[in-house]
Amino acid sequence: AQSVAQPEDQVNVAEGNPLTVKCTYSVSGNPYLFWYVQYPNRGLQFLLKYITGDNLVKGSYGFEAEFNKSQTSFHLKKPSALVSDSALYFCAAHFGAGSYQLTFGKGTKLSVIP
Amino acid sequence: EAGVAQSPRYKIIEKRQSVAFWCNPISGHATLYWYQQILGQGPKLLIQFQNNGVVDDSQLPKDRFSAERLKGVDSTLKIQPAKLEDSAVYLCASSPSRADIQYFGAGTRLSVL
Repeated sequence: AQSVAQPEDQVNVAEGNPLTVKCTYSVSGNPYLFWYVQYPNRGLQFLLKYITGDNLVKGSYGFEAEFNKSQTSFHLKKPSALVSDSALYFCAAHFGAGSYQLTFGKGTKLSVIP
Repeated sequence: EAGVAQSPRYKIIEKRQSVAFWCNPISGHATLYWYQQILGQGPKLLIQFQNNGVVDDSQLPKDRFSAERLKGVDSTLKIQPAKLEDSAVYLCASSPSRADIQYFGAGTRLSVL
């Protein structure tokens, strides 16, 4: 079965330090990969996506993600965390033509400590 | 550009009652989605429309859930009768086409008592 996993329920990082939020996927074929962020009482906001091309994808608010096909991973990164980055982050994927249903991970809560 | 609008924001009902949620997608977006997000989990797709036709409703509990998309624009999701396990946030999203980025509304938080 196709799935998306976020192995960490919570990530804590000090303000100004680099952050990484992990995501792995299980699929046959080439996935389309996404990161969304959710602030309290708000809907999900799109951050970035990978379809094809460069393995390093740059997105909104200084975030980037690295696609690694051999490790089936798509980790979200930021060089210097801000307190305002504290939120719930979701990795998602759909698995190609004919079925564009987005499958989400369970989410990772990021807390940036001042 | 206006985003995806949903109403109501909050709803509290008793089990076995019925409830309806409304969604107005971004203008011109052909594809509309309803997701259920249970606390501590990622969103789960319930139903996907392309214009006013259903593309995927494989995870919709059809014995109690129904949805329609009026004239390929607004959509309503109904639950009748509600169960305790239906307590969740119901998210509506839209996209220009099926492979495009999905844009989400703020959601409706449903509590079934």
